[in-house]
Amino acid sequence: SSELTQDPAVSVALGQTVRITCQGDSLRRYSANWYQQKPGQAPVLVIYGKNNRPSGLPDRFSGSGSGTTASLTITGAQAEDEADYFCSSRDSSSDHYVFGAGTKVTVL
Amino acid sequence: QITLNESGPTLVKPTQTVTLTCSFSGFSLTTSGAGVAWIRQPPGKALEWLGLVYWDDDKRYSPSLRGRLTITKDYSKNQVVLTMTDMDSEDTATYYCAHKRVMVQGEPFDSWGQGTLVIVSS
Repeated sequence: SSELTQDPAVSVALGQTVRITCQGDSLRRYSANWYQQKPGQAPVLVIYGKNNRPSGLPDRFSGSGSGTTASLTITGAQAEDEADYFCSSRDSSSDHYVFGAGTKVTVL
Repeated sequence: QITLNESGPTLVKPTQTVTLTCSFSGFSLTTSGAGVAWIRQPPGKALEWLGLVYWDDDKRYSPSLRGRLTITKDYSKNQVVLTMTDMDSEDTATYYCAHKRVMVQGEPFDSWGQGTLVIVSS
């Protein structure tokens, strides 16, 4: 099965921009979805289908992708954006789903 | 508004079978394209997709857990049940159920339950 690779951690100054990446062969064929998870809470969908936001999500979250890499960008990071972010997609070889290991975002 | 709620035992012994229930509202599993997935997360670790069931009773299971998992649905109760056999300490995790729709770009898990913690210990 496919794997999705994420950087373990990244930090960003308050109000600045941060990009989180996700790499995997499945992303050549399937769009990445991104989930935000704060401590003790369930994951929340923030970006789907490469660059679609669920209703109610701030527009500072955006997605992009090319080839085997997908990215989540937070433009003007806020303190409440501090969380773990997981990418996910369908597995390239089957109707299964895979998650990345997650990126911890710290807002300084 | 879609809501999901997981329930089940908190503590199970090694080798036992655990049954978790996902009770949902705000959608119907008789609607074309609807699906419910199970996803787990060991403490401090990443999310792991376990399996899912679709409106047409099509089912998919994680290859690494195939043979231990069974997912069933009860239309009348708006519930999806996950059964996992031969539990081991490595199965200690928070278990989530989540809604998905086939026709949405990316087919994301767009609504999640709050999760239920299962601890495997003798």
